[in-house]
Amino acid sequence: ELKVEQNPLFLSMQEGKNYTIYCNYSTTSDRLYWYRQDPGKSLESLFVLLSNGAVKQEGRLMASLDTKARLSTLHITAAVHDLSATYFCAPDSNSGYALNFGKGTSLLVTP
Amino acid sequence: ETGVTQTPRHLVMGMTNKKSLKCEQHLGHNAMYWYKQSAKKPLELMFVYSLEERVENNSVPSRFSPECPNSSHLFLHLHTLQPEDSALYLCASSQTGDRTEAFFGQGTRLTVV
Repeated sequence: ELKVEQNPLFLSMQEGKNYTIYCNYSTTSDRLYWYRQDPGKSLESLFVLLSNGAVKQEGRLMASLDTKARLSTLHITAAVHDLSATYFCAPDSNSGYALNFGKGTSLLVTP
Repeated sequence: ETGVTQTPRHLVMGMTNKKSLKCEQHLGHNAMYWYKQSAKKPLELMFVYSLEERVENNSVPSRFSPECPNSSHLFLHLHTLQPEDSALYLCASSQTGDRTEAFFGQGTRLTVV
């Protein structure tokens, strides 16, 4: 069974600061997805990382994937309040049809 | 309509009621999923349908009964639920051959009283 661990689970950071969220998973997976969820809302796809060494950036967020280390990171640069949300990582199961999610990182960006 | 649509958005039901949640996807995907999200637990995968066949059932109690009549529609039939079943139920779809990300509906907020 593919297990996914995210840390930290809760993160409060000041605007303008940088931080990294980590996602470790237990079995081989060659791609990984990051999602964002706002309170009371559904999940929105942020990044699709398709191979080892993949790096994608969108605004103040940058995601990377190291399949050998079974690790993905989501780096936040110069945080702003609008980034406050819960972020989930989900390694592909390789079976083609199931996604296993981490517990999510609840991010709060304060002035 | 585009994307993944879930109805109803909110549902309050008694423990003896029978109700159904509906999900419809307009993306041409061939796999659909039900997830449960509660305050105590992260996203829990409940059921997966691929090409209209159930391929995963993650030890879900029998009071939850899924149905996938075609590749665009997915139902979750509910009966004799417990208060602890109150949660956000999310439907998602994906294209398994392409192994692209799943797209989620807005969810049904279920309260069992």
